[in-house]
Amino acid sequence: AQSVSQHNHHVILSEAASLELGCNYSYGGTVNLFWYVQYPGQHLQLLLKYFSGDPLVKGIKGFEAEFIKSKFSFNLRKPSVQWSDTAEYFCAVNAPGGNNRLAFGKGNQVVVIP
Amino acid sequence: DAGVIQSPRHEVTEMGQEVTLRCKPISGHNSLFWYRQTMMRGLELLIYFNNNVPIDDSGMPEDRFSAKMPNASFSTLKIQPSEPRDSAVYFCASSLSLNPSGNTIYFGEGSWLTVV
Repeated sequence: AQSVSQHNHHVILSEAASLELGCNYSYGGTVNLFWYVQYPGQHLQLLLKYFSGDPLVKGIKGFEAEFIKSKFSFNLRKPSVQWSDTAEYFCAVNAPGGNNRLAFGKGNQVVVIP
Repeated sequence: DAGVIQSPRHEVTEMGQEVTLRCKPISGHNSLFWYRQTMMRGLELLIYFNNNVPIDDSGMPEDRFSAKMPNASFSTLKIQPSEPRDSAVYFCASSLSLNPSGNTIYFGEGSWLTVV
C-alpha cells in the first residue's frame, strides 16, 4: 500500500517569502502524484498533478512541484507567497490502473503573515 | 459543471440519532469516494465505489457506518446511532476510473457534522 509523508506540519512565513513543502511517498511502482489545497472552511481543490512527462509541473496560483523519482519525492514550491495562500496543503498519491484510491499525507498548515 | 454536490452542508444532531449524508457525483464519473477529516486523524478514506459497487470499505470505522450507491448519480453515508466522536467533516469525491494513465479525484464541499 502507498503511504505519504509530509514534514513540518505547521509553517508560518511572511508575504513574499518562498515556500517549499516536502512530500515523500513509499510505493515501488508507477504513481500519480497530486497536491490539493484546502482554504479555511472550504473543500479540497486540486492544485496540480503529475501523471507522466515533464517532472516539473506547473499548477494554479503560481505553484509548481517537481517529481524526483530517485528520491520518491514530489515537493511543492512557490517563489513568493501571498496572504491568500494561507491554507492546508495535502500531498496525495495513487497507482494508475489500480483501484484509484488516493493515499493522503497528514497535510501542511501554512500561515502567511501580511 | 456542477461539481460534486453534498448535503447537508452542516448538521448538528444529538447522540443516538441517525445521520444520513448525501452525495451526487460529477456526471459521467464512475468512481465515488467517502472521506472523513478530523484534526486528530487527518483525511481518511472510508469507502470507495466503482460503477455503483463497493470496492473497498476497509476504512469504515464500525458497523454503525454504512454506505450505499443505488445508482450512478447518488450515494449516501449513514451513521446509526451517531456518537460525539463521529463529529467531523465528511467529504464525498468522484472521478473517472477508465483512464489507465491516471485520474483526478474531485471533492465536494463537505458535510460538517457535529454530534452533541
